[in-house]
Amino acid sequence: AQKITQTQPGMFVQEKEAVTLDCTYDTSDPSYGLFWYKQPSSGEMIFLIYQGSYDQQNATEGRYSLNFQKARKSANLVISASQLGDSAMYFCAMREGDTDKLIFGTGTRLQVFP
Amino acid sequence: NAGVTQTPKFRVLKTGQSMTLLCAQDMNHEYMYWYRQDPGMGLRLIHYSVGEGTTAKGEVPDGYNVSRLKKQNFLLGLESAAPSQTSVYFCASGLGSYEQYFGPGTRLTVT
Repeated sequence: AQKITQTQPGMFVQEKEAVTLDCTYDTSDPSYGLFWYKQPSSGEMIFLIYQGSYDQQNATEGRYSLNFQKARKSANLVISASQLGDSAMYFCAMREGDTDKLIFGTGTRLQVFP
Repeated sequence: NAGVTQTPKFRVLKTGQSMTLLCAQDMNHEYMYWYRQDPGMGLRLIHYSVGEGTTAKGEVPDGYNVSRLKKQNFLLGLESAAPSQTSVYFCASGLGSYEQYFGPGTRLTVT
């Protein structure tokens, strides 16, 4: 079974609009962490946001917020006020328990148009 | 600080050749990782290290070896390259439980 599922291969959003990128996860460990990374066309992986399983509040970092719904096992990334520079691949990842390993989803390609 | 650097950036190998990819970090991180990225499959962990002198297998370790002789360096070796190892290779480092910092990647083609 997939540990991390990103069901949207591609998404389009108009500049200045908000967009939600979906991520669901599968784990039986009560302690885990969820991450979102951005990969622009230049190829580097850029850390965006982190949510721990015991965190009471949804994580936010500037225009990025993580909509964490524990019961549904979802960790959707919300980008507000999209910019052309947000066009990139976005990867959701999970760390289980006290392991040091990240498991990545297959990614969503976001394209922002004017 | 340079962060995480990878050498080389591009390489073309013939089947059966060997090579070593070098990853270096200047953030004093204990943990270092090697991933490969293939189209449509996200990143998959090859090997990782939780400290100098230690290494462990990840999700797809076959055909690769690693060494961590110095804290700041993590080497990935391919002893006998195969076309299936054509991929983009990323190194990352971190403090363990939180985010990992990635290098710029190495694009390897095996013909």
